[in-house]
Amino acid sequence: DQQVKQNSPSLSVQEGRISILNCDYTNSMFDYFLWYKKYPAEGPTFLISISSIKDKNEDGRFTVFLNKSAKHLSLHIVPSQPGDSAVYFCAAPSGSARQLTFGSGTQLTVLP
Amino acid sequence: EAQVTQNPRYLITVTGKKLTVTCSQNMNHEYMSWYRQDPGLGLRQIYYSMNVEVTDKGDVPEGYKVSRKEKRNFPLILESPSPNQTSLYFCASTGGERSSYNEQFFGPGTRLTVL
Repeated sequence: DQQVKQNSPSLSVQEGRISILNCDYTNSMFDYFLWYKKYPAEGPTFLISISSIKDKNEDGRFTVFLNKSAKHLSLHIVPSQPGDSAVYFCAAPSGSARQLTFGSGTQLTVLP
Repeated sequence: EAQVTQNPRYLITVTGKKLTVTCSQNMNHEYMSWYRQDPGLGLRQIYYSMNVEVTDKGDVPEGYKVSRKEKRNFPLILESPSPNQTSLYFCASTGGERSSYNEQFFGPGTRLTVL
């Protein structure tokens, strides 16, 4: 069974600064992690993922870091923009081949 | 355009009145699932389907039913809705190999209120 925890329900950051969103997981058997972004009145959309064979994956302003020994991953957004304001969910595989367990989400607000 | 559609988008109903939320995808995906989103709890999986006629319970299946008679459709059925099923519901689909975890497409959501 996989548990995924996002302990910060909200985060406010000034435009141009770095946003760091954190996520912890419990099961070391799984080796693939994802971040989704959700705007109000829309469904979540995939943002970035990381495999456990890496400790970092970068896509433009978004970088995900994986610390396997600590069972921790983090999403860095640099520089943060007002359009990044959304709820961010981390997710990890659980159960069957394509089941995902999601964290509770972090509401990011980027202040202009 | 590749998409997952859900209907209705908003629904207010009363306790005990059966309802169905439809979900359809046009990407020929094998795997479909339903989630509910509640404040502080994130997305929790209700049911999923690996393919036609293959369905299984997720983490919170009580009070829900699903069916998968066609590959593109995966309706969510509430036989006797109760107020604790008031929530925001999302349908999602994915297909292909394991590397397609990142291609899990979500519908726009259905806001359900049970009075």
